[in-house]
Amino acid sequence: EADIYQTPRYLVIGTGKKITLECSQTMGHDKMYWYQQDPGMELHLIHYSYGVNSTEKGDLSSESTVSRIRTEHFPLTLESARPSHTSQYLCASSDDSGGRAEAFFGQGTRLTVV
Amino acid sequence: GENVEQHPSTLSVQEGDSAVIKCTYSDSASNYFPWYKQELGKGPQLIIDIRSNVGEKKDQRIAVTLNKTAKHFSLHITETQPEDSAVYFCAASIYGGGADGLTFGKGTHLIIQP
Repeated sequence: EADIYQTPRYLVIGTGKKITLECSQTMGHDKMYWYQQDPGMELHLIHYSYGVNSTEKGDLSSESTVSRIRTEHFPLTLESARPSHTSQYLCASSDDSGGRAEAFFGQGTRLTVV
Repeated sequence: GENVEQHPSTLSVQEGDSAVIKCTYSDSASNYFPWYKQELGKGPQLIIDIRSNVGEKKDQRIAVTLNKTAKHFSLHITETQPEDSAVYFCAASIYGGGADGLTFGKGTHLIIQP
């Protein structure tokens, strides 16, 4: 069982609200990732981090921002939520063992903006 | 960039029969090919992976084959059981492991009929 946790599991919020999706892992992994999963189930990388104070944008443009102040914590923030942000958000982490590295995913946050 | 095609999008098989899901990739530099299983309400979980230095890997009822020349790889599940019902994703990366640079297929919804 992977030790990576996302909260909340479900969130319904009004347009214009600021929200933060939490992701924490207790495996000491340096690498962490945020994916957006659309209704068709396709996974798109939106942010990643290789360690404390390191954040990069992923392949899919996103209006969200991330921070990495502690190794175990990688929160994602939307300053002003819109209905187009409605989606499933998945957090993942990976160690840096090169050829034997494995990615672990959290259970996801399903966000609905009304 | 890498493009991963996955087929079929939905696969229904009788319990006890075999299931095969196929993926093709475009970047000949890809060297890591993981398969993830996503159950309802959960995040993806790595079930098996293969690296480009081998052609086949097996783990109990699950096997993956890789044809580097044709740039395709397949997941084989034998003696399917109800708990195999889930969405399965293939992915490809040039980084040898973990989640770096993973390009995912669009997923296959596997349904095991009792």
